[in-house]
Amino acid sequence: GAVVSQHPSRVICKSGTSVKIECRSLDFQATTMFWYRQFPKQSLMLMATSNEGSKATYEQGVEKDKFLINHASLTLSTLTVTSAHPEDSSFYICSARSLAGGETQYFGPGTRLLVL
Amino acid sequence: QKEVEQDPGPLSVPEGAIVSLNCTYSNSAFQYFMWYRQYSRKGPELLMYTYSSGNKEDGRFTAQVDKSSKYISLFIRDSQPSDSATYLCAMSPDNYGQNFVFGPGTRLSVLP
Repeated sequence: GAVVSQHPSRVICKSGTSVKIECRSLDFQATTMFWYRQFPKQSLMLMATSNEGSKATYEQGVEKDKFLINHASLTLSTLTVTSAHPEDSSFYICSARSLAGGETQYFGPGTRLLVL
Repeated sequence: QKEVEQDPGPLSVPEGAIVSLNCTYSNSAFQYFMWYRQYSRKGPELLMYTYSSGNKEDGRFTAQVDKSSKYISLFIRDSQPSDSATYLCAMSPDNYGQNFVFGPGTRLSVLP
């Protein structure tokens, strides 16, 4: 099946620093990648949709200048949390949709961010 | 009313039991229905993907969609302790991914 990886799996940083999270589709090309945030015991909330070679589309209430998304290739998207604050601490999950279409999203293992 | 409703549980069952997980929705535009399993501190894993009303079976899992009632179910037969996880339903009006709506998830514990 389709495999999506994320790196790092866990990161702890100081308030005010920036953190970059990578999402890779390992065995397929992804035209579209999605970034979600999940707080404890809550469901996934879509943050943004990332299309290769174009600007990301952000959901209402998500600051595009704070959560920078780059989708440089059909297998890699990055999310950078700029000037992170403790309230940004969460579980960030990416997913990817196959270029072949006709399929649903495949999720990465998630990145747990803790901002001190 | 939320677009997708799902009993959060927790649901505890003995090993070997049949588990029934359900979601209701309000948007009649939803055409694609998914069930994901999420272990603690892990990303969701796709279990079932259906388009039409009716049943779809895969091993011990059966997904059921009733569009007329706006109701979907996931049945797990012969449940195992390894099935203990949070189960998320998801649905979308299209297959492009941007309009996925997830249920809040049901926490399932299968007791040995």
